[in-house]
Amino acid sequence: EDKVVQSPLSLVVHEGDTVTLNCSYEVTNFRSLLWYKQEKKAPTFLFMLTSSGIEKKSGRLSSILDKKELFSILNITATQTGDSAVYLCAVKILGSGNTGKLIFGQGTTLQVKP
Amino acid sequence: NAGVTQTPKFQVLKTGQSMTLQCAQDMNHEYMSWYRQDPGMGLRLIHYSVGAGITDQGEVPNGYNVSRSTTEDFPLRLLSAAPSQTSVYFCASSYAGRMFTEQYFGPGTRLTVT
Repeated sequence: EDKVVQSPLSLVVHEGDTVTLNCSYEVTNFRSLLWYKQEKKAPTFLFMLTSSGIEKKSGRLSSILDKKELFSILNITATQTGDSAVYLCAVKILGSGNTGKLIFGQGTTLQVKP
Repeated sequence: NAGVTQTPKFQVLKTGQSMTLQCAQDMNHEYMSWYRQDPGMGLRLIHYSVGAGITDQGEVPNGYNVSRSTTEDFPLRLLSAAPSQTSVYFCASSYAGRMFTEQYFGPGTRLTVT
């Protein structure tokens, strides 16, 4: 059974701290790993990772994939209260008919206190 | 463009009732999907479609039906509602070539089954 596991499930930090969110996976037909941020409503896309060892970066957020050990991390440096959200990791696999589909982890709820 | 719209925003059903959650997009996206989100469970794929007339099952399809008669619309039907279907439902769409990286989510429908 395909599964994606995130840790920790929740995290409380203070502004300025650096956080690392983890995502491990066991799937067949892996194609890519994606990170989303969800505040209140619908998720918004952050990163897609396909190759091992190549860091994707956007401002204070960065992410890297290890396809040998089957995990990814999402780093947020100098956290701000606006970073408070649920961070979702998802793995794209090939479904029937060679169509991609996403398997999501449970999410990590991050709260950044002022 | 209205983007991805979902109706209703909230719904309360009694066990055994049937209903249809509506999803529409005006971006000419080929790929559309339905997810449910439960506390601590991330997003789980119910059904998806890669174009009009083509649908496939996701992780948790039981109790739900879909059809895709037009590119724009992708309704989700609950055949006989059960309390286990209490959840927040998200519809999403994207171009087939940019699935997931540019996936647009609707605002969600919060369904309670009593």
